[in-house]
Amino acid sequence: GENVEQHPSTLSVQEGDSAVIKCTYSDSASNYFPWYKQELGKRPQLIIDIRSNVGEKKDQRIAVTLNKTAKHFSLHITETQPEDSAVYFCAATNQAGTALIFGKGTTLSVSS
Amino acid sequence: EPEVTQTPSHQVTQMGQEVILRCVPISNHLYFYWYRQILGQKVEFLVSFYNNEISEKSEIFDDQFSVERPDGSNFTLKIRSTKLEDSAMYFCASRLGGYQETQYFGPGTRLLVL
Repeated sequence: GENVEQHPSTLSVQEGDSAVIKCTYSDSASNYFPWYKQELGKRPQLIIDIRSNVGEKKDQRIAVTLNKTAKHFSLHITETQPEDSAVYFCAATNQAGTALIFGKGTTLSVSS
Repeated sequence: EPEVTQTPSHQVTQMGQEVILRCVPISNHLYFYWYRQILGQKVEFLVSFYNNEISEKSEIFDDQFSVERPDGSNFTLKIRSTKLEDSAMYFCASRLGGYQETQYFGPGTRLLVL
């Protein structure tokens, strides 16, 4: 079945710096790749997603890139702010296309 | 903006007891999901539900688990005989369907099995 690896597990940056989180997936049939942000004790919230027919997508300070050949996708956050501090999860649809398979998460800490 | 809701927010139960976790998906959504997250770990898929039947389940979703849509608004997860290792946060999610792939998560139910 689908397996999603996520790196790094923790990331500390200074306010204003960029942060990059990388994920790889195993199932070439996966076609949808969302990123979720989870604050402590809260629900995962979608921040950006990308479909397999697109290589890059941007929404203000957040961008996601997808390399289907290499089976990896990345989250880029520019001009980080303290409120960006949270756990970020990448995910990919499984072969059946119904379930999301999550990475282990990256704890991002932005210090001011 | 419509949101997925879940009740209760917290549940404490004794090992071997049955629990029912409740979810109200977003009203026009057609696909429903249960995920769980053991403390400090990743979110894990349990089951997906569409058109009043299970469309897929993971290896975690064994015979102790069942799901039901008892009416037009609720979606429930039942654990028949809870084990210590069932302690986790359980998230319900829903998706509109068609080309809309975004899954919206509820706030979760934190289940503690003693």
